[in-house]
Amino acid sequence: GAVVSQHPSWVICKSGTSVKIECRSLDFQATTMFWYRQFPKQSLMLMATSNEGSKATYEQGVEKDKFLINHASLTLSTLTVTSAHPEDSSFYICSAKSGTVYEQYFGPGTRLTVT
Amino acid sequence: SQQGEEDPQALSIQEGENATMNCSYKTSINNLQWYRQNSGRGLVHLILIRSNEREKHSGRLRVTLDTSKKSSSLLITASRAADTASYFCGFNNAGNMLTFGGGTRLMVKP
Repeated sequence: GAVVSQHPSWVICKSGTSVKIECRSLDFQATTMFWYRQFPKQSLMLMATSNEGSKATYEQGVEKDKFLINHASLTLSTLTVTSAHPEDSSFYICSAKSGTVYEQYFGPGTRLTVT
Repeated sequence: SQQGEEDPQALSIQEGENATMNCSYKTSINNLQWYRQNSGRGLVHLILIRSNEREKHSGRLRVTLDTSKKSSSLLITASRAADTASYFCGFNNAGNMLTFGGGTRLMVKP
């Protein structure tokens, strides 16, 4: 149980284009989803928290107009990187939790490369 | 901002040896969780220890928590080559969010 998927697993895009990453909870209802960014050999940095049906809460320093997050259903959240630049190249990981349960379940990550 | 630290940053041991990694944090917490990450993959939840617990076991894993020192340790006994991965501690304070330590990269040599 508690499986989270991400799609795509990797994507290469050109500078200036937008990329959408999907995060799905496959066997539970994710009332809260989180998006993280991870640079090579570094820890995960939380970008934003989203609750189903509500606007996402962004961490300090994360541009909400650049990283659009939508959590329209209890099983799906999307992260759209708008007008991508090479410095947006990173590993993006989502996680999901249900209700008041503390454990978060992570997706396998999406490797974004902006050329 | 990252409010947790882990040490060592990297650890190399032989198969069969025990591996110990430590995590320290700065705020009060509700619980602390340990995760494993294989290269280029997502995180796998290993174990959760609540703030009122001092020790917890799961298979070859043993986690301790000392809230007075704001620290936790993860012990992997009888390590295997398949244990090679990065290990992160993450802790919950008052809210939903997890704050992660910097991670320990463990290499287990066969």
